[in-house]
Amino acid sequence: DAKTTQPPSMDCAEGRAANLPCNHSTISGNEYVYWYRQIHSQGPQYIIHGLKNNETNEMASLIITEDRKSSTLILPHATLRDTAVYYCIVLREVTFGTGTKLQVIP
Amino acid sequence: EAQVTQNPRYLITVTGKKLTVTCSQNMNHEYMSWYRQDPGLGLRQIYYSMNVEVTDKGDVPEGYKVSRKEKRNFPLILESPSPNQTSLYFCASSLRYPGLSSSYNSPLHFGNGTRLTVT
Repeated sequence: DAKTTQPPSMDCAEGRAANLPCNHSTISGNEYVYWYRQIHSQGPQYIIHGLKNNETNEMASLIITEDRKSSTLILPHATLRDTAVYYCIVLREVTFGTGTKLQVIP
Repeated sequence: EAQVTQNPRYLITVTGKKLTVTCSQNMNHEYMSWYRQDPGLGLRQIYYSMNVEVTDKGDVPEGYKVSRKEKRNFPLILESPSPNQTSLYFCASSLRYPGLSSSYNSPLHFGNGTRLTVT
């Protein structure tokens, strides 16, 4: 089963792009990568997902490497409200690791 | 408004006193799931249900029961709560089981959580 690896924490200056990496080297060909975030102790919120092509929506962009072994979530202009824990998951497992705690600094 | 509703938000109880945490979704989703979240351990799946009358164990099912008699409801039952079940609980739903490759457009929708304390 595919598993994901993320750095435990990152800082980003307000207004700058936040680039959150995720390693999923054992992902199989038909497994999608999903990103969620959790603000304080609220329920996780869906952000974006993708299979092999780069994706963009109103919240973020998702860049997936050609070999699909890693991906990067990009928040183009981070605000203080983006401070949260970000989870990268491969949904076949439907499990969440400990994610990356992103701190946006004024 | 499409949502997953959990009740109660906060619950303090004593060891051994049976309790139920309710979860309801209004999106006609087939898949529902329960998670617990503890510091440093992320979200761990307790039980899930792929449809009415179909339930299965997740990673940490011991001490919990669930039922899926109706599509919209998926209650979590603690028959004899113990202090190690003190945790933050989340219910989630999606249109279909997220593990299927055909379910690519089925993100999980989460409730707002239930903070349970067992003394």
